[in-house]
Amino acid sequence: GDSVTQMEGPVTLSEEAFLTINCTYTATGYPSLFWYVQYPGEGLQLLLKATKADDKGSNKGFEATYRKETTSFHLEKGSVQVSDSAVYFCALDNYGQNFVFGPGTRLSVLP
Amino acid sequence: DTEVTQTPKHLVMGMTNKKSLKCEQHMGHRAMYWYKQKAKKPPELMFVYSYEKLSINESVPSRFSPECPNSSLLNLHLHALQPEDSALYLCASSQVQGAEGTEAFFGQGTRLTVV
Repeated sequence: GDSVTQMEGPVTLSEEAFLTINCTYTATGYPSLFWYVQYPGEGLQLLLKATKADDKGSNKGFEATYRKETTSFHLEKGSVQVSDSAVYFCALDNYGQNFVFGPGTRLSVLP
Repeated sequence: DTEVTQTPKHLVMGMTNKKSLKCEQHMGHRAMYWYKQKAKKPPELMFVYSYEKLSINESVPSRFSPECPNSSLLNLHLHALQPEDSALYLCASSQVQGAEGTEAFFGQGTRLTVV
């Protein structure tokens, strides 16, 4: 079946550091790919998405590019803030069968 | 309005109680979902409703009973739960099930504790 693998962390960075969270997937066909963020005590919020190869999703300074050749969708941000501390989930949706989530990566940003 | 509203936010129930979780969206979405999330784990799909009909049941025990009374509402009826059912229960919705690139919108969740 479809699956998503991501670094589980925790990842601890200083403010203004560069962030990369790796995500790779296994799926039949051409799934849509997503990054969701979950702040403490809250539900999941869509951060960005990409629906086809070479698409780049971006939002709030975060970016991820759909790389079909490497089956990857790595999340990057050039300068993290304390307010970015959260759990980040990579996910895929293979034509609406259901969302498959990675295990989540906990990010802590220190001032 | 891009919100999915869940009530209650917190619920404590005994193993013999019957309670219900409620979820509401007014985005015109025709697919609605229940997920269960344990601490430090990703959400696990429980049920999917598409056009008010149950389309996916991920082998969830019968003590969890979903209901979709109309296109805006989704309920999860709980009966005779076990302590291991304590978790964050998330509701989500999307425009339709099966369309490319359709993102899911999540509610804030109901934190359930079974005592």
